[in-house]
This record gives sequence, structure tokens and C-alpha cells, in this order.
Amino acid sequence: DGGITQSPKYLFRKEGQNVTLSCEQNLNHDAMYWYRQDPGQGLRLIYYSQIVNDFQKGDIAEGYSVSREKKESFPLTVTSAQKNPTAFYLCASSPYGTGNQPQHFGDGTRLSIL
Amino acid sequence: KQEVTQIPAALSVPEGENLVLNCSFTDSAIYNLQWFRQDPGKGLTSLLLIQSSQREQTSGRLNASLDKSSGRSTLYIAASQPGDSATYLCAVDRDDKIIFGKGTRLHILP
Repeated sequence: DGGITQSPKYLFRKEGQNVTLSCEQNLNHDAMYWYRQDPGQGLRLIYYSQIVNDFQKGDIAEGYSVSREKKESFPLTVTSAQKNPTAFYLCASSPYGTGNQPQHFGDGTRLSIL
Repeated sequence: KQEVTQIPAALSVPEGENLVLNCSFTDSAIYNLQWFRQDPGKGLTSLLLIQSSQREQTSGRLNASLDKSSGRSTLYIAASQPGDSATYLCAVDRDDKIIFGKGTRLHILP
């Protein structure tokens, strides 16, 4: 079955530590996205990538970094500069752009601070 | 700046009732509008996608309408079931980015 796999499901970060969230898709989609979801809030876009080796900042990119070395993979690093990283992180993909196709989502990674 | 609002934030209805969830957006220049379902601790599942040129889409007991000129969409759920309990989010698509509402948390009472 095609889909998006996020790992780990739960992640804990110590002060001053960088952590990386994995997102892999086998849908052959060009575009991939990272969202952050806080309780009672909508999803906010962190970064997105429409093609390999290219990505753009979303609305809340500060304290995060990404790479897109392969079409299937779009890892997100939460750096120590992100002072409030506790949230639910969702990865999504779609065929190039989102124009006529729905986005597909992974099951998320919940990040907490130790 | 595009803003998406969903009212109410939470809704409880008895099983079997028909119900309507509302979504409004401030900028009518959208490519499409999607309705998603999110179960607790899970990702989002796309329910219906309405293109900007369409007025409505139907899937089973779900019907979504779109009125671009007034910046409104509704999700109609017929004959609600306990399994429909979830958070429902609407999102509008413009310039290859999707803007989400905060969702309506729906609870169907058995």
C-alpha cells in the first residue's frame, strides 16, 4: 500500500539538543510538506518542497531545518534554536503543487521536552 | 492574508441526526477547498476536495458545498454515527500552500 511513514511516533528532546523527524513516502509525489499542530490550533506550515534539492520556508520556519536529497524523503530537524518545540508534527505529500489533488498525511510525530 | 474560520469549535449531537459543519475563508481566490477528518493522535484523512469551479462534492453520507463568492463552505453529514466522532478541518489551497482552519470537534452521542 502506498502512503507516508513518519518516525518515530514519540520523541523526546533534551535542552540544547537537535532532533530529526523522519518522513518517507512511496506515492511518487513531487511535493512534500511539514506542519506543526498545537492543541486547539490549526496546522501551521513549517517548510515545503516541490522538487528534489529545493525547499521553501513556510509560516513558522525559525528554529527548523529540512533537506530534500531524495524524492521519497523529507526529514525535519528541530534545532536547539526552537524554544517551544513541544507539538504534534505532521508530514504530507501531494502530486506537484496541490491544485487538483488532495494532500496525503502521515500519522504524525509527537515531540516533547525532557 | 487568507484566514480560515470554522464554527462551531465543538459540537455534540445524538446518533442519527443530520448535521452541518461550517467553514469560511477571507480570500475567494482559491484553487480548491478540502475537508479533512482527524482522529485523536492521528494524521489527517482527506474526505472531499472541491475544485474552485465546482459547487459541491458528495461521498457516501458526506456532502460538501462551496460558495466562493461568499467565502463559505459547508460539510453536511447525514444520519450521523458514533464512528463519525472526530475533528473535521477545512483547508483552502492557494499558491501551492494550504491554509487550515482550527477544526470542529464532533462528538456523536450513542
